[in-house]
Amino acid sequence: NAGVMQNPRHLVRRRGQEARLRCSPMKGHSHVYWYRQLPEEGLKFMVYLQKENIIDESGMPKERFSAEFPKEGPSILRIQQVVRGDSAAYFCASSPGKDRANNEQFFGPGTRLTVL
Amino acid sequence: QKEVEQNSGPLSVPEGAIASLNCTYSDRGSQSFFWYRQYSGKSPELIMFIYSNGDKEDGRFTAQLNKASQYVSLLIRDSQPSDSATYLCAATTGGFKTIFGDGTRLFVKA
Repeated sequence: NAGVMQNPRHLVRRRGQEARLRCSPMKGHSHVYWYRQLPEEGLKFMVYLQKENIIDESGMPKERFSAEFPKEGPSILRIQQVVRGDSAAYFCASSPGKDRANNEQFFGPGTRLTVL
Repeated sequence: QKEVEQNSGPLSVPEGAIASLNCTYSDRGSQSFFWYRQYSGKSPELIMFIYSNGDKEDGRFTAQLNKASQYVSLLIRDSQPSDSATYLCAATTGGFKTIFGDGTRLFVKA
């Protein structure tokens, strides 16, 4: 049973370029979460999605950032016109989404984004 | 006030001792609570979750929840150097949104 998969593991972009981060949830999981983590800081919630629906995007910057979880394929976090401040580790997590009481999330290995 | 607060540490304990990690949360509507361990440069890994008042034990780990005090803790018995990591406390609100604390760094001295 494969875990949460993320790719690429490392991504280097120049300022102004676009970054696309992919996340495939664990088998049987219908909920996907994206988090950002700066060095020596905690995980900051960005967005929570189910298949074809954004449920909560209260942690997403209003501009340049978007996320989707299509019916087929991985969830995508897209950052347009990247700036140096976007450099961080981006983690995806998935959960079964069946029971609020024990809806534990399992994390992927993360994508380390570096903006030059 | 942060929604989930933890002491940043570092917390240093000798090998074999009990490490006690604490966490408070502000949203009384929070329903489930999680402890994750994160080694430097790695992704968080789930240690335990708890959603009922009281204690929950799993091997060397015990999670404690007190909803009246809005307080969650994690005890690690017989601490090992391999337990040295950052421990993240998380709370899930009425929906499925999960808020993480900034973590407590634990050092276990051999």
